[in-house]
Amino acid sequence: GAVVSQHPSWVICKSGTSVKIECRSLDFQATTMFWYRQFPKQSLMLMATSNEGSKATYEQGVEKDKFLINHASLTLSTLTVTSAHPEDSSFYICSAREGGQAYEQYFGPGTRLTVT
Amino acid sequence: GDSVTQMEGPVTLSEEAFLTINCTYTATGYPSLFWYVQYPGEGLQLLLKATKADDKGSNKGFEATYRKETTSFHLEKGSVQVSDSAVYFCALTGQAGTALIFGKGTTLSVSS
Repeated sequence: GAVVSQHPSWVICKSGTSVKIECRSLDFQATTMFWYRQFPKQSLMLMATSNEGSKATYEQGVEKDKFLINHASLTLSTLTVTSAHPEDSSFYICSAREGGQAYEQYFGPGTRLTVT
Repeated sequence: GDSVTQMEGPVTLSEEAFLTINCTYTATGYPSLFWYVQYPGEGLQLLLKATKADDKGSNKGFEATYRKETTSFHLEKGSVQVSDSAVYFCALTGQAGTALIFGKGTTLSVSS
């Protein structure tokens, strides 16, 4: 089946610094990628939807200047958490979807971000 | 807007017990319905799906039937195993290509 990778799988950064998380579709072209955030023992919250070559669409309440999303190619999307704070510590998960009428989304394994 | 409600856990069962995790949804139109599973320390994996009313999705002994009349998509398994211990998420997508809307997840713990 389709595989989505994320890198890094975990990262620790200091408050005030920025960290970039990569999401790659390894064996298919992803016209759309989604970024989710998961708090401990809670569900996934959609942060933004990105289509290749266009600006991401952010969900209400998500700061687009803080969570920068770039979907520059059909196999790569990046999420940059800028000026990170401890409250940004979370599990970030991406998913990718092929084009057309495909319903299925393939999820990456997630990235655990800890801001100290 | 569209939403998913699933029973809250944790659900604790003995091996070989019968499992039901309830899931109901609210959506306009005809959503596609999914069950995802998240094993400890891993990402989400699609367990099964159904794209239209009365469809039954099945995989690894799990099954769920898309019931439009009751707006439900309950997950069932006849005999659970310890290896089934995980968090199960019910989800829907209203249109092809839109993001998934997840329920809060149900933690299942199976003991031998």
